[in-house]
Amino acid sequence: DAGVIQSPRHEVTEMGQEVTLRCKPISGHDYLFWYRQTMMRGLELLIYFNNNVPIDDSGMPEDRFSAKMPNASFSTLKIQPSEPRDSAVYFCASSLRNGGGPLHFGNGTRLTVT
Amino acid sequence: GESVGLHLPTLSVQEGDNSIINCAYSNSASDYFIWYKQESGKGPQFIIDIRSNMDKRQGQRVTVLLNKTVKHLSLQIAATQPGDSAVYFCAQPPGGGNKLTFGTGTQLKVEL
Repeated sequence: DAGVIQSPRHEVTEMGQEVTLRCKPISGHDYLFWYRQTMMRGLELLIYFNNNVPIDDSGMPEDRFSAKMPNASFSTLKIQPSEPRDSAVYFCASSLRNGGGPLHFGNGTRLTVT
Repeated sequence: GESVGLHLPTLSVQEGDNSIINCAYSNSASDYFIWYKQESGKGPQFIIDIRSNMDKRQGQRVTVLLNKTVKHLSLQIAATQPGDSAVYFCAQPPGGGNKLTFGTGTQLKVEL
């Protein structure tokens, strides 16, 4: 199993530009999560999906952030327009079932907005 | 003013010694707890989990202890190795399900 795959690994962009982060969950996993990690706030849950449907987006910072899951094997997190304070490592994770199965994380996308 | 990041507690141990990493939680409703390990440049990696109907669970070189009375979780690593150097997080789903909330983490440093 290849695990959760995220791309790109690093992204450097200028303020105001659109950024799209990509994630391929583990095949067969029903849940997909987007987390953000910063030194200031640690690991924060942004949004999660169940069977491609967004369940809880209460962690999404503001309207500049949006996430989609068009099918079971692909999800995107988009920031438009990006700001320097969005600089962080963004992780995607997937899990097999509800009720407390462990999350499996990708290796993240390090985003730097200048 | 100057921004300040999260202050990660740090635990330094000698190679071969046992490590104990602690975590306090506040939500009594949680029935599932997980420990993750995060190495530099990587995502958190699942180590071991425990449900609230247990007070101890053992894995390979790791043991998790759960004390629901004082809402305390600990991770014990036996014979700590250099490869164990990482940040360790406890996590729980506050309201059940898979929506995990992570603690701030503990940096484990293994000294040779």
